Amino acid sequence: SQTIHQWPATLVQPVGSPLSLECTVEGTSNPNLYWYRQAAGRGLQLLFYSVGIGQISSEVPQNLSASRPQDRQFILSSKKLLLSDSGFYLCAWSVYFATQYFGPGTRLTVL
Amino acid sequence: QQQVKQSPQSLIVQKGGISIINCAYENTAFDYFPWYQQFPGKGPALLIAIRPDVSEKKEGRFTISFNKSAKQFSLHIMDSQPGDSATYFCAASSDYGGSQGNLIFGKGTKLSVKP
Repeated sequence: SQTIHQWPATLVQPVGSPLSLECTVEGTSNPNLYWYRQAAGRGLQLLFYSVGIGQISSEVPQNLSASRPQDRQFILSSKKLLLSDSGFYLCAWSVYFATQYFGPGTRLTVL
Repeated sequence: QQQVKQSPQSLIVQKGGISIINCAYENTAFDYFPWYQQFPGKGPALLIAIRPDVSEKKEGRFTISFNKSAKQFSLHIMDSQPGDSATYFCAASSDYGGSQGNLIFGKGTKLSVKP
């Protein structure tokens, strides 16, 4: 069966510090991968998606970047965090028919 | 035209009652409509999904009703339980059989079921 992991689970970072969030998927090959951000009590904002290694599409211009160095690994990064980057970051995967499966999320607080 | 409008924003229902959440869309190219359930601090989980070739799909206490002509779909939770208290998101995709699988999400409905 397929499993999706995200780490860290929680993170508190100062403004201006770098960020690296990691997502890995097990049990499937060549998945589509997605990064979403969810502000407190708000909906899901698609940040990036990837249909293959090295292929990244950005949905929203912002302070973040994404990379896919391996088939089942998706990384979200920032060089300098802003207060507005705080939120709940979710990784998701899909293989067939637009059905997306979400990871457990990373709670990021920027102080 | 890519939006999915979800209502209500919040909903309070008594235990045993019926919870109804509605979504509307404009893009007639949408061909896949899933619902997700999210508990606090957790990632959303796929609850139930429908395609436009059927008007209703039922899984246990959860039913999706789909009205293609009105471009609306809704989630009904029968015999609502306190354990159903969560945020529910509707979504739509125009890429059901495609390569990207992108979903357009509604803004969510926070459901509280009172004992």
